[in-house]
Amino acid sequence: DGGITQSPKYLFRKEGQNVTLSCEQNLNHDAMYWYRQDPGQGLRLIYYSQIVNDFQKGDIAEGYSVSREKKESFPLTVTSAQKNPTAFYLCASTLGGAVGTEAFFGQGTRLTVV
Amino acid sequence: GENVEQHPSTLSVQEGDSAVIKCTYSDSASNYFPWYKQELGKRPQLIIDIRSNVGEKKDQRIAVTLNKTAKHFSLHITETQPEDSAVYFCAAGLRSGGSYIPTFGRGTSLIVHP
Repeated sequence: DGGITQSPKYLFRKEGQNVTLSCEQNLNHDAMYWYRQDPGQGLRLIYYSQIVNDFQKGDIAEGYSVSREKKESFPLTVTSAQKNPTAFYLCASTLGGAVGTEAFFGQGTRLTVV
Repeated sequence: GENVEQHPSTLSVQEGDSAVIKCTYSDSASNYFPWYKQELGKRPQLIIDIRSNVGEKKDQRIAVTLNKTAKHFSLHITETQPEDSAVYFCAAGLRSGGSYIPTFGRGTSLIVHP
């Protein structure tokens, strides 16, 4: 089955730690995205990548970092510089390019700072 | 970049009534306007979409209308059922550089009372 997979489903982080969220897709999509979901805030764009080895900051990139070494993978690191990291994180992918297409989402990772 | 406003944030209806959710966007070059449904604890999934060269699209009980001049589009659900209860997100998007980057509204929590 083609799809997009995030892991882990739940993640707990101690203050001052960096954590990495995994996102893998086998849809052969060029574009991948990370969104943060907070109640009443919708889906806010953290980072996006239109092609391997290239990525751009979204609207709320501070305290986050990403890499895109393979087409299939787009991991997100939540660093200790992120002041309020507790949230639901969604990874998505699309075909990419100038013409919009359906976004496919992973099942999400719920990150909690303890 | 794109700015997407969505209203209302919460919509409560009786089973069988119609529901309408409205979105506005800022970038006149946006070419693709999808709507996603997110059930509790699940990932967002596409329910209907419309392209900029079309004014209206229907799929059974749901329809989307687009007014390019006014830069707004709406989701219409007729004969609502309890299983329609979910959070609905609209999206638009066209960033600098010409790539389509999905930008979401804040979401509408639809509650259908039996």
